[in-house]
Amino acid sequence: GESVGLHLPTLSVQEGDNSIINCAYSNSASDYFIWYKQESGKGPQFIIDIRSNMDKRQGQRVTVLLNKTVKHLSLQIAATQPGDSAVYFCAENNGDSNYQLIWGAGTKLIIKP
Amino acid sequence: EAQVTQNPRYLITVTGKKLTVTCSQNMNHEYMSWYRQDPGLGLRQIYYSMNVEVTDKGDVPEGYKVSRKEKRNFPLILESPSPNQTSLYFCASSLLDLAGGQDTQYFGPGTRLTVL
Repeated sequence: GESVGLHLPTLSVQEGDNSIINCAYSNSASDYFIWYKQESGKGPQFIIDIRSNMDKRQGQRVTVLLNKTVKHLSLQIAATQPGDSAVYFCAENNGDSNYQLIWGAGTKLIIKP
Repeated sequence: EAQVTQNPRYLITVTGKKLTVTCSQNMNHEYMSWYRQDPGLGLRQIYYSMNVEVTDKGDVPEGYKVSRKEKRNFPLILESPSPNQTSLYFCASSLLDLAGGQDTQYFGPGTRLTVL
């Protein structure tokens, strides 16, 4: 079946280092991918997205890489800060519908001082 | 301020007692959606709506109802809540991309529901 999963449920990173959060997907028909950040007690917040016609997209301190060959998505956060502590979710659109997202289980990012 | 609001934020109820969780957005978004979030399962979509009077089932619609009588409101109704509906619920909204997809979703603050 279709699934979006994460390799690591928890990631600990030293403050100032770069973080890389990975995500695998299984639906070849998915053409839109999104990363969300969820801080404790809050709803998910959009970080960055990418469409399947791109391999890389950069935002402010964040970069998303898409490898369609191996169905892999990653989020890179540069110079990780304490405010980056959160659970990060990847999501893909349902290949049969652009109006449904399939969400991964999430990765918790912990920043060590 | 552009936002999605949900009420109540916290609710404890008993099995079988009908309840409604309201959701409202002030961004004139066509698309609205309800999710539940459970530990280890990420977000699962319950229902979504692409416009007024247009609603569709998500992945886990059983035990829930929705309505979309106005563009800004998308209430979630539990006619007869059961303990397995204890969860954290999020409402979200977005514009619809004219190319055929949805734009960035904006999420409400969440409603934590406990059904005893």
